[in-house]
Amino acid sequence: GAGVSQSPSNKVTEKGKDVELRCDPISGHTALYWYRQSLGQGLEFLIYFQGNSAPDKSGLPSDRFSAERTGGSVSTLTIQRTQQEDSAVYLCASSPGGADLEQYFGPGTRLTVT
Amino acid sequence: AQTVTQSQPEMSVQEAETVTLSCTYDTSESDYYLFWYKQPPSRQMILVIRQEAYKQQNATENRFSVNFQKAAKSFSLKISDSQLGDAAMYFCAYRRGRDDKIIFGKGTRLHILP
Repeated sequence: GAGVSQSPSNKVTEKGKDVELRCDPISGHTALYWYRQSLGQGLEFLIYFQGNSAPDKSGLPSDRFSAERTGGSVSTLTIQRTQQEDSAVYLCASSPGGADLEQYFGPGTRLTVT
Repeated sequence: AQTVTQSQPEMSVQEAETVTLSCTYDTSESDYYLFWYKQPPSRQMILVIRQEAYKQQNATENRFSVNFQKAAKSFSLKISDSQLGDAAMYFCAYRRGRDDKIIFGKGTRLHILP
């Protein structure tokens, strides 16, 4: 079946602009995660959704970052007033929960803020 | 807070040889999950192997095996008969619960020498 998809694949934006990154999880997966991978670094957790609610937002770096999930499916990560330090690859993962431990990752969106 | 440390930023191994990637972690939990992920240049995160902390037996997946030392909080990955396709970034990762964020190390870049 189809895996996790993310769009756009690459995004270049000017400092100060707002951007929206989209994640389409695997159908039926109840849990959805956003991570950020800065150049040469490991993945940094941003936010976790269970259904449409976000029980863990502890990784969002500032109030410029927000995310929502609708219909228990698609999620959008929004970054307002982008800064150069926001440049990174943003990865989304979904998980069916229950006995399946695995988080299935999308290909990521590479964001470049100029 | 839980942390994951990979002390080898880069490693090289001759094709067909065996290589071991090191990982240590810190947690006060007694039950948790450990993972090794592979990230090739395509950016796609691929789960290589996982270990449940309550299991004493080391996990094995074909050419990949782990040495899990719970008391020492060590979780190394051994790759046998290295192949050119094994070249990638390898991330050690920790997860406290089934529906929980994953905490990643900073990664080890593995080069395979023909």
